[in-house]
Amino acid sequence: NAGVTQTPKFQVLKTGQSMTLQCAQDMNHEYMSWYRQDPGMGLRLIHYSVGAGITDQGEVPNGYNVSRSTTEDFPLRLLSAAPSQTSVYFCASSMDTTITSGYTFGSGTRLTVV
Amino acid sequence: KNEVEQSPQNLTAQEGEFITINCSYSVGISALHWLQQHPGGGIVSLFMLSSGKKKHGRLIATINIQEKHSSLHITASHPRDSAVYICAVYNNNDMRFGAGTRLTVKP
Repeated sequence: NAGVTQTPKFQVLKTGQSMTLQCAQDMNHEYMSWYRQDPGMGLRLIHYSVGAGITDQGEVPNGYNVSRSTTEDFPLRLLSAAPSQTSVYFCASSMDTTITSGYTFGSGTRLTVV
Repeated sequence: KNEVEQSPQNLTAQEGEFITINCSYSVGISALHWLQQHPGGGIVSLFMLSSGKKKHGRLIATINIQEKHSSLHITASHPRDSAVYICAVYNNNDMRFGAGTRLTVKP
């Protein structure tokens, strides 16, 4: 199993550009989520999904869109990148949201917006 | 004040020492999550617990719901345990994270 695959690993964007961070899992997990990690701030939840067709906002959703058309994929879209979105982004998945389900994290995407 | 506070922020230990990392939170939770972030950046889920204690190898996690406090213990620490350990609290599909404790274990 590949687990959780994030692409790209690194990306540099100009202010105002758009892009999509890809996240795919092959474990048939229902729950998927996106986080950003900033120095001194820790990880923060951006958006999450409890199943195909269902998405919801986390702690810091502004400037980001998500969709969940399939169980496997949960892309994160930046419509108009801003320097404040420079961060490391992690995607994670879990079988469900019960206490017994562990989380599997992707390897991260380091995004720089100039 | 952050909803999730970890202490200490940084910890240096000698190989073989017993390590304790603390996590206090101020919100209602359904579960607490301990994560390990390797120097290369990868994140691994260690424990998810809602009461009592869990053990996996040399790692032990405890939680006291009434006191809103959790501890992560590492017995017989080893240089390969060097990482950032992150506490996160989970409630109703939302997760809030502590800033992490950077552990360095010297040989």
